Parts: sequence; C-alpha cells; structure tokens
Amino acid sequence: AQKVTQAQTEISVVEKEDVTLDCVYETRDTTYYLFWYKQPPSGELVFLIRRNSFDEQNEISGRYSWNFQKSTSSFNFTITASQVVDSAVYFCALSVPDSNYQLIWGAGTKLIIKP
Amino acid sequence: DTGVSQNPRHKITKRGQNVTFRCDPISEHNRLYWYRQTLGQGPEFLTYFQNEAQLEKSRLLSDRFSAERPKGSFSTLEIQRTEQGDSAMYLCASSDGQGAINEQFFGPGTRLTVL
Repeated sequence: AQKVTQAQTEISVVEKEDVTLDCVYETRDTTYYLFWYKQPPSGELVFLIRRNSFDEQNEISGRYSWNFQKSTSSFNFTITASQVVDSAVYFCALSVPDSNYQLIWGAGTKLIIKP
Repeated sequence: DTGVSQNPRHKITKRGQNVTFRCDPISEHNRLYWYRQTLGQGPEFLTYFQNEAQLEKSRLLSDRFSAERPKGSFSTLEIQRTEQGDSAMYLCASSDGQGAINEQFFGPGTRLTVL
C-alpha cells in the first residue's frame, strides 16, 4: 500500500525566513512519481513539481527547491526568503502505475507567513 | 479560460436529497479524476475515467454515488440520498495521456453542505 506523511500540521514563520516542509512516502513500487501542490485560501490546487523515482536530482525554481532522497523516502520542499503570498496549504502526493496514477495525498502542511 | 471548470461552486442541500455536480476538463485531456476533500485533510480519490470508461472506483464510493463521463468529455458526479457525512469539497482533475507523467490539473471544486 502507498502512503504519504506530512508530519507538520502547521508552520508559522516571519516573512523572509527560509522554511522547509517535510514529506515522507511509502511504496513498494520501484516506479513512482512524487508531486507537490499548493492550495491557497481560494481553494484551487496548483501544481508545483513532479519528480519520478529514477531522478534523484534536486530541483530549484526561483525561491522554491526540492530535495528528493530515496534512502530516507523523503521529498522535502524548501521556500527561501518566504513571502506573505506563500501562505497556503501545501500537499505532497504520490502516484504509481498500478493504481491508474491516482494521487495519494498527505494531510497537508498549513504554512503561515507573517509580515 | 481553458482550465478545468466545475459547477456549481457551492451546493447546500437537505439530508436525503439528490445532488449532481459537473466537471468540464481541459478539452484535450483524456483522463479525468474525482476526489473528495474534507476540512484539514488531503484529497481522497473517488473514481477515474479514461475517455468514457470508468476504470477505477474507490471503496469510498458507496452505491449512493455514481459518476459518468458520456462521450469522454464532461463528467457528472451524482450523490443520491445525501447524508451529513457527504459534506465536503468535491474536486475534479484532468490529465493528458499518462497521468503520472503529466500533472493533474484541478478545478476549483464544488463545496457541498448537507444540512
């Protein structure tokens, strides 16, 4: 069975601080895909990144960066120099071919950026 | 706007009534997913269509729930004899080809409140 754990229910930081959101996944499949989505207060889920199990390269996109470590089954997300607009709920998700690629979601981390 | 659309955005109904939601995916996307999200939780998979074929249904989808995707375009999700436990946000997502490789694009959701 697949599972995604986001242990941090809520994180609150002051603007311009760096913040890391943790994601730990479980799967027996050797081929799988990991995602991060952002859900702002408006409610619509916004895709941030996709990573497949064969690509452990870290990725940086502007102030966002992702650290994928298969050895610890983790796919952590860091926001550098946080801004108030980053306030949202962030979800980590997993999909595998045998499950028709349905997304299996973590419970989400609510990120609050204080001005 | 060529994103995923859902109607209605909000639905308030009395227990025991039937409700129907509609999802219009991105036009060239052949995969369509329905998820349910309750407050403070990540989305939960309900069902999946490839074109007009419903290929997978979650155990969460009781016999009061039915989904269709005639002609492989828009989809409807019907809940019969609604219960208070059905109150949630119902999300629709679509993807192109292999959903694990291409991200799922989400609609704004339909928020259902059962009184």
